[in-house]
Amino acid sequence: QQQVKQSPQSLIVQKGGIPIINCAYENTAFDYFPWYQQFPGKGPALLIAIRPDVSEKKEGRFTISFNKSAKQFSLHIMDSQPGDSATYFCAALPGGGNKLTFGTGTQLKVEL
Amino acid sequence: DAGVIQSPRHEVTEMGQEVTLRCKPISGHDYLFWYRQTMMRGLELLIYFNNNVPIDDSGMPEDRFSAKMPNASFSTLKIQPSEPRDSAVYFCASSLVNTDTQYFGPGTRLTVL
Repeated sequence: QQQVKQSPQSLIVQKGGIPIINCAYENTAFDYFPWYQQFPGKGPALLIAIRPDVSEKKEGRFTISFNKSAKQFSLHIMDSQPGDSATYFCAALPGGGNKLTFGTGTQLKVEL
Repeated sequence: DAGVIQSPRHEVTEMGQEVTLRCKPISGHDYLFWYRQTMMRGLELLIYFNNNVPIDDSGMPEDRFSAKMPNASFSTLKIQPSEPRDSAVYFCASSLVNTDTQYFGPGTRLTVL
């Protein structure tokens, strides 16, 4: 059972554009929602994370928007750069738990 | 800190052979996780340990898979016998107690011929 649905599967934007990646979840026990960035040949690395008590979190050019009632959250990358080209995974963690559930990933390509 | 260390980085073996993947977590971390990544199934949690004790192995696909953590600085994931469908990238990750951030190693790319 896929508990975190991620879309789109792939995304191509021009340099300076704002790619948006969306995730939806069903389990209301989730209370921590990280995004991981993965470059080819590397392990995933934490990019930014949010908890349901806020609707938005921004770190540099990366912003998470969170809609608790809709059980959806999204990643926005402002002023995207070719160096942002990577695979992005959303994930969710239940309160008091340790088992991260990952989305299926979005392969982002930022073109010059 | 050197981060999570995994070895080997690449492993090519033949069906039926035993494969052992190794992981050294970040010093001081209490939790260690083993994941498998494939195109078809994405990132899957196989097993995780807390203070060297296996807590949840419900993600281990079959009895052919086993994992151990003999001490706080070393863990192994063993596949015996290996099969072509075990071909994947296997990641180890570690985290501190009471924090939610998991730090991933560079992975081991396993190819079973």
